Amino acid sequence: DSGVTQTPKHLITATGQRVTLRCSPRSGDLSVYWYQQSLDQGLQFLIQYYNGEERAKGNILERFSAQQFPDLHSELNLSSLELGDSALYFCASSASGGFHEQFFGPGTRLTVL
Amino acid sequence: DQQVKQNSPSLSVQEGRISILNCDYTNSMFDYFLWYKKYPAEGPTFLISISSIKDKNEDGRFTVFLNKSAKHLSLHIVPSQPGDSAVYFCAARRMKTSYDKVIFGPGTSLSVIP
Repeated sequence: DSGVTQTPKHLITATGQRVTLRCSPRSGDLSVYWYQQSLDQGLQFLIQYYNGEERAKGNILERFSAQQFPDLHSELNLSSLELGDSALYFCASSASGGFHEQFFGPGTRLTVL
Repeated sequence: DQQVKQNSPSLSVQEGRISILNCDYTNSMFDYFLWYKKYPAEGPTFLISISSIKDKNEDGRFTVFLNKSAKHLSLHIVPSQPGDSAVYFCAARRMKTSYDKVIFGPGTSLSVIP
């Protein structure tokens, strides 16, 4: 158990819909990272927040957005969903702003029908 | 443009033998490399890392070798155990720039046969 929690574990929705994925970092960790893993693909970095502010941005679509709240939990919002958005979405946290050692949550499996 | 490549999607090794997982990268600006292990239905877990100023780092049964001139690194697991069966991701990072993010490879699925 990494100490990072993600909800929900599974999500099934239809094209065009909007969903919110939630992540609670390890106690004391200030950074939260979001990754997408599509079928047969590696982990694609989406975005990082550090202590409530956006720190780094990766290959995140404009239809996707994220935020980190004062209690340090984070939400990833995916809108106008397409079939290709079906993937595993991982959240990770680390104590500092760097990428040295991240602790990953179990992931949310999103299926868009 | 895949900056971190793991050209072997899968690998099978007999228990007790050595497992060698390979990773190639294209960007010479990468200066820190990490290996993560992932079991099904779980998130990746950090395994071992190496800075570009070193050519070897060892932690128990796991050793990572870095060949900067070839832009190649490898993870050696000796001896391999059935519990090592997992997907292994190689990752690279550019630490000393404002472009600090981790690029992951596609992963290699290791099966250790009892």
